[in-house]
Amino acid sequence: EAGVAQSPRYKIIEKRQSVAFWCNPISGHATLYWYQQILGQGPKLLIQFQNNGVVDDSQLPKDRFSAERLKGVDSTLKIQPAKLEDSAVYLCASAWFGPSTDTQYFGPGTRLTVL
Amino acid sequence: QKEVEQNSGPLSVPEGAIASLNCTYSDRGSQSFFWYRQYSGKSPELIMSIYSNGDKEDGRFTAQLNKASQYVSLLIRDSQPSDSATYLCAVTGAQKLVFGQGTRLTINP
Repeated sequence: EAGVAQSPRYKIIEKRQSVAFWCNPISGHATLYWYQQILGQGPKLLIQFQNNGVVDDSQLPKDRFSAERLKGVDSTLKIQPAKLEDSAVYLCASAWFGPSTDTQYFGPGTRLTVL
Repeated sequence: QKEVEQNSGPLSVPEGAIASLNCTYSDRGSQSFFWYRQYSGKSPELIMSIYSNGDKEDGRFTAQLNKASQYVSLLIRDSQPSDSATYLCAVTGAQKLVFGQGTRLTINP
């Protein structure tokens, strides 16, 4: 079974530039998450999708971050304009919730450096 | 108060010994509890999940849950250098996963 795919793996941009990340979840997983992990901290949830609808975006800085999940499969996360404090690893995860499982599986992440 | 709290470490354990990692959480309605392992520069990898009070064993790993005390722990027996990593405790309620900051574990040969 293929895992969660993300691209690019690394991105370096200057502040005030824009950047986009892509995620393809595990086939059949209806729930998709974007996390931000700053060095030395645990992942922080930015947004959660159920199919193509947003379930939780309470911690998404909506003045600069946006995300979409068209057709309930792939998702993109965009930052515009980027700030220095956005330097982090952006993790995508997916899950299928059933009677005995609610495990999230993570992709390899995109490491963003904002200069 | 943080929702999920862990000692950030570093925790240093000699090879072959038992490593004990602890986690407390604030939401009494939490239903599912996970331990993820994260190697430096890699994404989190699930190693244990536990849903009811008591112990759950999987190979060298044992997860312990005490909902009354809002406490989750992970024991690693016969610790190996390859166990050196950051261990993240995560707690779920209403399909939302909240992570602790992680405990950095170092196994010394």
